[in-house]
Amino acid sequence: EVQLVESGGGLVQPGRSLRLSCAASGFKFDDYAMYWVRQGPGKGLEWVSGITWNSGSAGYADSVKGRFTISRDNAKNSLYLQMNSLRAEDTALYYCARAPLLGVSYYYAMAVWGQGTTVTVSS
Amino acid sequence: EIVLTQSPGTLSLSPGEGATLSCRASQSVSSSHVAWYQQKPGQAPRLLIYGASSRATGIPDRFSGSGSGTDFTLTISRLEPEDFAVYYCQQYGRSPFTFGGGTKVEIK
Repeated sequence: EVQLVESGGGLVQPGRSLRLSCAASGFKFDDYAMYWVRQGPGKGLEWVSGITWNSGSAGYADSVKGRFTISRDNAKNSLYLQMNSLRAEDTALYYCARAPLLGVSYYYAMAVWGQGTTVTVSS
Repeated sequence: EIVLTQSPGTLSLSPGEGATLSCRASQSVSSSHVAWYQQKPGQAPRLLIYGASSRATGIPDRFSGSGSGTDFTLTISRLEPEDFAVYYCQQYGRSPFTFGGGTKVEIK
């Protein structure tokens, strides 16, 4: 069974850092681009970041560029999101997602989703 | 970044009726890199359509997507009870990728 399981969320003070993880199983992880998407409380979806299968290229939303870093460890079948200088507006449910097909870029839709991990930024 | 505007914000319909959801982009989306997702309360989004008109695996054929350039449409031919949800369009033709604000399809 294809599965994505996020972890690492929690309550953090503004200005602090947090690292999210996503454990993948049931598929060949290093064949697919991966993503982070977030959803604020009662709000819509916001694409945060994406990364190619080999970490050769990554993209970020303007709202997180320079503060967040996406990375992956193909040997551990894991995706990460390092979040620095956190703000109240970063409070959200963070989803890990996978591209629908094999490919060399990250310009794909998101076909497989985890259940998310909640990040709350508050003093 | 490309801004996506979805309309209407809410659609009130009865089971069996058809639904037409619109997504307009502020700039042309290359190669019709537009996707549609369905999200129900407490659940992760589900991919319905990618490449503007290709159904994702396991998606019933009552869901169809169309459009190009800046105007895209999701059509649900006959609403089933499980189709009442929020629908989002997304462009992935230019980074940063962006989502529309969503259309809620509710039971009338």
